[in-house]
Amino acid sequence: DTAVSQTPKYLVTQMGNDKSIKCEQNLGHDTMYWYKQDSKKFLKIMFSYNNKELIINETVPNRFSPKSPDKAHLNLHINSLELGDSAVYFCASSRAGQVNEKLFFGSGTQLSVL
Amino acid sequence: GQQVMQIPQYQHVQEGEDFTTYCNSSTTLSNIQWYKQRPGGHPVFLIQLVKSGEVKKQKRLTFQFGEAKKNSSLHITATQTTDVGTYFCAGPVAGTALIFGKGTTLSVSS
Repeated sequence: DTAVSQTPKYLVTQMGNDKSIKCEQNLGHDTMYWYKQDSKKFLKIMFSYNNKELIINETVPNRFSPKSPDKAHLNLHINSLELGDSAVYFCASSRAGQVNEKLFFGSGTQLSVL
Repeated sequence: GQQVMQIPQYQHVQEGEDFTTYCNSSTTLSNIQWYKQRPGGHPVFLIQLVKSGEVKKQKRLTFQFGEAKKNSSLHITATQTTDVGTYFCAGPVAGTALIFGKGTTLSVSS
């Protein structure tokens, strides 16, 4: 079983559309994250949830809305997609929201906005 | 804001040569972590350093944490083609999320 799984792996869509990416972890971790990796491989934190509660919300456009129905799931919904949203989105989890906890990443979702 | 800087951005070596990537923070870090991302893959945790001046080894990889806990390095001895990928350092910001350096992409030719 994959520890952190996210779907879909690839997402190709038109500007202006709304799309969602789903993430699930079976590690029993309390904290989940969304990171965005641009074409230069820069990994930037977007959101962090601890036990379903939003902990970190970086300066991300409000077109991005995370939702955590339970601590094993963290989904990302994106409204009115723009060209600049094209990137690889990684979900990650850690045992607890402590700064010394290592992250386990999902395999990523390659989003291409045309 | 707090940043984690990493150099070089790219490095190409011949198989068998050594490789080093350096990481610097604008502030003191409580710990630093290193990750490796293979081409087309996802970041995978390699190691965490916590103590000032700490040195840890994993086979041909040597990790160091500076005395001031503001810098770190990863050194690979006698690179192999399996070492290809992007190496990231990451440190905690404001006691919360991990902030990643921009990574060093290593390519190895045989």
